[in-house]
Amino acid sequence: DQQVKQNSPSLSVQEGRISILNCDYTNSMFDYFLWYKKYPAEGPTFLISISSIKDKNEDGRFTVFLNKSAKHLSLHIVPSQPGDSAVYFCAASSMGGKLIFGQGTELSVKP
Amino acid sequence: SAVISQKPSRDICQRGTSLTIQCQVDSQVTMMFWYRQQPGQSLTLIATANQGSEATYESGFVIDKFPISRPNLTFSTLTVSNMSPEDSSIYLCSVGQASSGNTIYFGEGSWLTVV
Repeated sequence: DQQVKQNSPSLSVQEGRISILNCDYTNSMFDYFLWYKKYPAEGPTFLISISSIKDKNEDGRFTVFLNKSAKHLSLHIVPSQPGDSAVYFCAASSMGGKLIFGQGTELSVKP
Repeated sequence: SAVISQKPSRDICQRGTSLTIQCQVDSQVTMMFWYRQQPGQSLTLIATANQGSEATYESGFVIDKFPISRPNLTFSTLTVSNMSPEDSSIYLCSVGQASSGNTIYFGEGSWLTVV
């Protein structure tokens, strides 16, 4: 039972354009959501998070949107840069419990 | 966030042997976890390392296969025992702090290849 799903294994965008990475979840008890970025042969790097009491959180070029009714969150990167090319994982937790990760989406930003 | 160092960063191991991965944090942390990422897969929680007591294992992971120690608030080890090729993965140490809410941070990972 996959509680956190990233249905797009890969995404390719042009430099300077917007990248939108999507994530769906099934557990309505999740109350905290995070995005991590991962390069090959490195550990994941925390990017941005959002609590279920909010529907948007912004940090520089990164914005996370949460739609609780649809059980959907998305990460927007504007403008996209070649250095953003990596695998992005969304994760969710409930009441401070363990993080459940999605399968990841590989973003490729082309110059 | 805390600086998390893992050793070894990479190793090639013989089938049937065991390897211990060390995780050192530069500050005291409340929570320490061990994750695994098999090739092409997502991150899966192996266990929560509890300071001064036995680790709490997730379903599908057992202490005999993945013994964990956490003698203090800055250090933990994970041993992968009696390795088989299916154990070839990245093993990741991660930490959480009450001050960081529910955010956890990861070390660089330890790439193990079992031959």
